Amino acid sequence: DTGVSQDPRHKITKRGQNVTFRCDPISEHNRLYWYRQTLGQGPEFLTYFQNEAQLEKSRLLSDRFSAERPKGSFSTLEIQRTEQGDSAMYLCASSLAGQVVEQYFGPGTRLTVT
Amino acid sequence: AQTVTQSQPEMSVQEAETVTLSCTYDTSESDYYLFWYKQPPSRQMILVIRQEAYKQQNATENRFSVNFQKAAKSFSLKISDSQLGDAAMYFCAYRRNAGNMLTFGGGTRLMVKP
Repeated sequence: DTGVSQDPRHKITKRGQNVTFRCDPISEHNRLYWYRQTLGQGPEFLTYFQNEAQLEKSRLLSDRFSAERPKGSFSTLEIQRTEQGDSAMYLCASSLAGQVVEQYFGPGTRLTVT
Repeated sequence: AQTVTQSQPEMSVQEAETVTLSCTYDTSESDYYLFWYKQPPSRQMILVIRQEAYKQQNATENRFSVNFQKAAKSFSLKISDSQLGDAAMYFCAYRRNAGNMLTFGGGTRLMVKP
């Protein structure tokens, strides 16, 4: 197992464009999380899936953001009509279900909106 | 809402010495988990150590140990025999017992001098 992977690693886009990021969790993990990390700050929770169900969403996840996990495996995070304030590192993590389980993080996708 | 505060933006330690990183948190919950994550430059975040709030004994993982003071809501990380590879951002994180999301502090950048 190669761990959590994210694609692309870097994305530069112009304001107003749509972008989509992909996360592939560790294969047996049924929980998947998205976080956003701005420069010099800690990650902030965006949303969480158990299998294909999106069970929790942060208030940070405005209506321009949508996340899916259609088959309970990989997940996509789409940002529509990007704004400069969306520039950040988008981190994906996965874990098994359970009481105290480690979340394994991917390398992140760094988004720059110009 | 839970908050996590790391009051030391940067810390420096001489190789082979010991350093302590501070973390305080605020919660009204009695059952929760605390974590320290390490984020090396341009590399993914990994779990260093975790502590269950119901356990009085402080967690230890090799050179890493914590000082958990539940009444004071304090959770510091001690790194003994510091190594060059310990240089990274360190994030303190909180998760309530019934929750899934991690709440992170703002991070402490640890520099290790040879």
